[in-house]
Amino acid sequence: SQTIHQWPATLVQPVGSPLSLECTVEGTSNPNLYWYRQAAGRGLQLLFYSVGIGQISSEVPQNLSASRPQDRQFILSSKKLLLSDSGFYLCAWSTNRAANTIYFGEGSWLTVV
Amino acid sequence: GEDVEQSLFLSVREGDSSVINCTYTDSSSTYLYWYKQEPGAGLQLLTYIFSNMDMKQDQRLTVLLNKKDKHLSLRIADTQTGDSAIYFCAEQGSKGYQKVTFGTGTKLQVIP
Repeated sequence: SQTIHQWPATLVQPVGSPLSLECTVEGTSNPNLYWYRQAAGRGLQLLFYSVGIGQISSEVPQNLSASRPQDRQFILSSKKLLLSDSGFYLCAWSTNRAANTIYFGEGSWLTVV
Repeated sequence: GEDVEQSLFLSVREGDSSVINCTYTDSSSTYLYWYKQEPGAGLQLLTYIFSNMDMKQDQRLTVLLNKKDKHLSLRIADTQTGDSAIYFCAEQGSKGYQKVTFGTGTKLQVIP
């Protein structure tokens, strides 16, 4: 069966510090990978998606970047965090089938202080 | 662009039926989804419906789709306290990589 892991689950970082959130998927190959951010009352905002190694698409301009160094690894990064980067970040994956069912990780709470 | 709207909050009594509504704008949607998010956790897929269907039933869950009005609903029969969560509607477009757009989520509160 397929599983998705993301870490760390929670972190508190000072403004201006770097960020690295990691996500790995097991039990499938060549998945679509996603990073979402969730803010209260605003639903899920798609930040990045990737359809293959080294292929990253950004949905919104921001202080963050993403990389996919391996088929089942997706990393969300920032060189200098802003207060507005605080939020709940969700990694997710899907297959390339007709129904693009998305499977989510457990999320990472980021607080920038 | 695509837009998916939901009311933010719904409160029901235990044992009653809950109906969560969603509207979307993309007329080329292929699949529509309902996800459930429990506090502090990721989202889990509840059910989905293909756009050429009007209704889908899965145990206590009934999904109704009115494609003409671009309206989707999720009915939960005999609502239990364990159903308290945020419910997200999502629609999948037919272009590109099959982008899925999520609504803002409806927080369902079940009163014992």
